[in-house]
Amino acid sequence: DVKVTQSSRYLVKRTGEKVFLECVQDMDHENMFWYRQDPGLGLRLIYFSYDVKMKEKGDIPEGYSVSREKKERFSLILESASTNQTSMYLCASSLYNKPTYGYTFGSGTRLTVV
Amino acid sequence: AQSVSQHNHHVILSEAASLELGCNYSYGGTVNLFWYVQYPGQHLQLLLKYFSGDPLVKGIKGFEAEFIKSKFSFNLRKPSVQWSDTAEYFCAVNRPRGTNAGKSTFGDGTTLTVKP
Repeated sequence: DVKVTQSSRYLVKRTGEKVFLECVQDMDHENMFWYRQDPGLGLRLIYFSYDVKMKEKGDIPEGYSVSREKKERFSLILESASTNQTSMYLCASSLYNKPTYGYTFGSGTRLTVV
Repeated sequence: AQSVSQHNHHVILSEAASLELGCNYSYGGTVNLFWYVQYPGQHLQLLLKYFSGDPLVKGIKGFEAEFIKSKFSFNLRKPSVQWSDTAEYFCAVNRPRGTNAGKSTFGDGTTLTVKP
């Protein structure tokens, strides 16, 4: 069964901490995405990547950075966590040349910043 | 930039009632359209999609959606809902080609609660 795996289901971090959220996919997908999901706001794109070492800003990149050193892994970094970054974070992947296929999502990481 | 609007944020129905969730998008070119579903405690998964051909598409669990190009709409329907359809539903759109092809824009989501 193909998968997108997010390393943590729940995280609690303190304000000011550097936080790493990890995502790994085993489908050889070129595209990977990080979204945050908040009630009433849907899914908002933070960053995405079309290839190794490539990254592009999404709609809400402020306070975040990403790393993609290997095709299967896409990391989201909160440089200095703040309480307004408390949210559900979703990782997704897709095939670069198959936009009709849609996304495969991970189970999400619920981050609480205290 | 493309955008997606879902008209209802929260819908409450009794079992066996019919369902229609509205979705409109704002992009004049060719698009791919999707409905995703998130059951409580589970990850988002693809429910159905449209990219060409018959504008009435059928998905899993008896859901269907109709693409009406003139109305920029892709409404989700089910003739008779079940308690197990309680979930959050997201409409999404992407472009098949050009800059950022395949990058999807999502609506705000509609929470469906089905009363037994």
